[in-house]
This record gives sequence, C-alpha cells and structure tokens, in this order.
Amino acid sequence: AQRVTQPEKLLSVFKGAPVELKCNYSYSGSPELFWYVQYSRQRLQLLLRHISRESIKGFTADLNKGETSFHLKKPFAQEEDSAMYYCALLYSGAGSYQLTFGKGTKLSVIP
Amino acid sequence: DAGVIQSPRHEVTEMGQEVTLRCKPISGHNSLFWYRQTMMRGLELLIYFNNNVPIDDSGMPEDRFSAKMPNASFSTLKIQPSEPRDSAVYFCASSFGTGLEEKLFFGSGTQLSVL
Repeated sequence: AQRVTQPEKLLSVFKGAPVELKCNYSYSGSPELFWYVQYSRQRLQLLLRHISRESIKGFTADLNKGETSFHLKKPFAQEEDSAMYYCALLYSGAGSYQLTFGKGTKLSVIP
Repeated sequence: DAGVIQSPRHEVTEMGQEVTLRCKPISGHNSLFWYRQTMMRGLELLIYFNNNVPIDDSGMPEDRFSAKMPNASFSTLKIQPSEPRDSAVYFCASSFGTGLEEKLFFGSGTQLSVL
C-alpha cells in the first residue's frame, strides 16, 4: 500500500543551523513527491515538487529511490521557516489518482 | 481567481447537531478533494471527486459523513450527527488534469469544534 512516513512530529533548530525534515515513502510504481507547508493561520500551500528539481525559499529535496526517501533540506534555517511541513505522494492507477500525506513535522526555529 | 473558497472558517456546534461544510473549487478545475487534519493523524484524504463524480470515498470515517458535488462549482461535506472526535480542520482542495502533473490548491480550511 502507498504510504508516506515523516518520523519526526517536532523538530527544533536554532536560527542559522541546517535543517533536514525526513520523509520516506512506500510505493511500487514511479513516485511523484511533494512538500507542502502550512504557516500559522495560513492555508496549506505547495512548497516544492521533486519533478521540478527546484529550490524554493532556500529549501531543496532530492528523491532517492534506493532509500525511498524525499528529505527536505535547508542549509541555514530562518525564523520565518517555522511551520508545519507535510510530505505527499501522488500516485495513479486504473484511471484515478490520489495524494497521500505524511502526518507532518512541525519545524520550530529558535531565534 | 479567488482560489478555493471554504465556508465557514470556524464552526462550533454541540454534539448531535448536523454540520455542513462548503467548498467552491477554482473555476475550471475538474477534481475536488476533502481532507481532515488532526494532531493525531495529520492530513487524511476523506473523499475526492472527478468531474463531479465521487471516485474514492474510502477515507470517509463513518456513515455519519457524507459528501456531495451537485455541480462543478460547489461541494458539501456533511456530518450528521456530529461528535466531539470530529473536531478538526477540514480542508477542501481542487486541481485540474488527469495525469501526474496536477497541483493541488487548498482552501483556508474550516476549523470545526464539536462540544
């Protein structure tokens, strides 16, 4: 079954320290993976997707099929990065598709 | 476009009452999703529609939950009767497409509190 695992519910780092939010997935096909972010009192929004190989707000994520991981990284954390982060897997089959989310990691950046 | 619009933003009700959450997807989008967010389970997909037809409702927790999409611009999620454990933030999202290139656009959510 398709599954997304984010092992850390809460991650606290100091401002300027590197950040890595872990995400592992379980899917037998070719995955399409995303990171979503929800800032306090704001709607959930797409942060980045692996297929674009982009860097948004200093964050990057590399798909590692061997380790079935899609960890989110940033070299220097900023206070405004404090938010809930969700890793998501999009998969399709039999003409339909579904987006499955991990349980989320709350990132707290300490000034 | 104003984005995905959900109403109400907040709903406080008593156990046993009927609750109706509303969603207006982005014009032109043909897929609509209802999600529930709780601290214990994170973000869960409840049901999604494609071209107004329910495709997968396996995430709907119980018969007390029902969702409709009478037309391409409106959907409702109803809970009857509501229970305290239904308290959560309910998100609606919409997208366009049938392949793997879709981006999901989320509404601001409805914060539901059942007392």
